[in-house]
Amino acid sequence: NAGVTQTPKFRVLKTGQSMTLLCAQDMNHEYMYWYRQDPGMGLRLIHYSVGEGTTAKGEVPDGYNVSRLKKQNFLLGLESAAPSQTSVYFCASSPLAGGSYEQYFGPGTRLTVT
Amino acid sequence: AQSVTQLDSHVSVSEGTPVLLRCNYSSSYSPSLFWYVQHPNKGLQLLLKYTSAATLVKGINGFEAEFKKSETSFHLTKPSAHMSDAAEYFCVVTPTVLSGANNLFFGTGTRLTVIP
Repeated sequence: NAGVTQTPKFRVLKTGQSMTLLCAQDMNHEYMYWYRQDPGMGLRLIHYSVGEGTTAKGEVPDGYNVSRLKKQNFLLGLESAAPSQTSVYFCASSPLAGGSYEQYFGPGTRLTVT
Repeated sequence: AQSVTQLDSHVSVSEGTPVLLRCNYSSSYSPSLFWYVQHPNKGLQLLLKYTSAATLVKGINGFEAEFKKSETSFHLTKPSAHMSDAAEYFCVVTPTVLSGANNLFFGTGTRLTVIP
């Protein structure tokens, strides 16, 4: 059981380039999330999805787009990368949302934008 | 409004001594609280969670936390630190009664160093 996987693990982009981060989960979870982690700031929610075909904005959505065409996959896109998007990106999933449901995290993608 | 304050950004202990990582929360609703651990270059792993049952919660690897409503605290403790406990720890709060997916609030993390 792989849980939550993320591709790629590392990436270096130049300003203005685009890329897509892939998250996959094999737990049949309804909810999926994308976070970014910056030093001293904890995790901040970028976008999330409550089911296949649905997405919603989180706390810091600007500069990112997402898609959830299949239940098991959640893609995060950067259309025109900026140095401010240098961060570690985590994907997570949960069966439902709410207090008693923990989120399961992937190993992260370290992105550097030069 | 919901928020979490982790009172120490860095805690250093000697191997075999007790660990205390402090977390205070603010919540307009009855909260659920979590502690996650993040080892270097790894994702976050759930240590334990409180969801309005017993106030003393036991987690994995010998960690436990006590929910104290009067002090709005949820401190993480372990009687004896092990080298493998060196990691970043995050306290997380969410209102139990709300089901929205955007209602998790993360603390800024506490880095635990264990000295041999």
